Amino acid sequence: DIQMTQSPSSVSASVGDRVTITCRASQDLNYWLGWYQQKPGKAPKLLIYAASRLQSGVPSRFSGSGSGAEYTLTISSLQPEDFATYYCQEANNFPLITFGQGTRLEI
Amino acid sequence: EVQLVQSGAEVKKPGESLRIACETSGYSFISYWITWVRQMPGKGLEWMGRIDPSDSKPNYSPSFQGHVTISVDKSINTAYLQWSSLRAPDTAIYYCARINSYRVIDYWGQGTLVTVSS
Repeated sequence: DIQMTQSPSSVSASVGDRVTITCRASQDLNYWLGWYQQKPGKAPKLLIYAASRLQSGVPSRFSGSGSGAEYTLTISSLQPEDFATYYCQEANNFPLITFGQGTRLEI
Repeated sequence: EVQLVQSGAEVKKPGESLRIACETSGYSFISYWITWVRQMPGKGLEWMGRIDPSDSKPNYSPSFQGHVTISVDKSINTAYLQWSSLRAPDTAIYYCARINSYRVIDYWGQGTLVTVSS
């Protein structure tokens, strides 16, 4: 099984800040990595796929980068609607999938 | 418009059986994998398993293997998640979702809250 370590588990930031969230895997993911945003009481929403590709309709302040076993989600300038929980998800050994533990982004 | 619409909330007793449904529309059902994701109260996302609707073959996370069954009915574009004997720790929101060719979930159902309590 692939182990995913997402950090930080929570972060406090302000509107306009730049925030970075990291996922580290126990093995090379070959870019099979996605990022999701989840707001309370709602289903998650896909932000990034293939490590760095922006899902249609997602604001360009969201970006993904990384390679090998380490990947990063960056929000370049936080907006009020960005305060939520973020998850990474790997699928290198598809059909097996693993989510990261989540990062709570708070004001 | 792609939609995944899940069946309503359930309240069950330990030991009871349950099947929840995920009705899909707006795309070719057999062309995308369907997956189920658990979210326990206040916790993160857990991948349970997935099924290929074209051949109805499921794959399960080791954490859920033997405790749940994932199936589909291609005639009505619907996927199912089933328990034969529920336990209190099964209390959670269960999401069905569609996996695309990039192996990420691009569409989600609204979630089904399952409460197991004596």
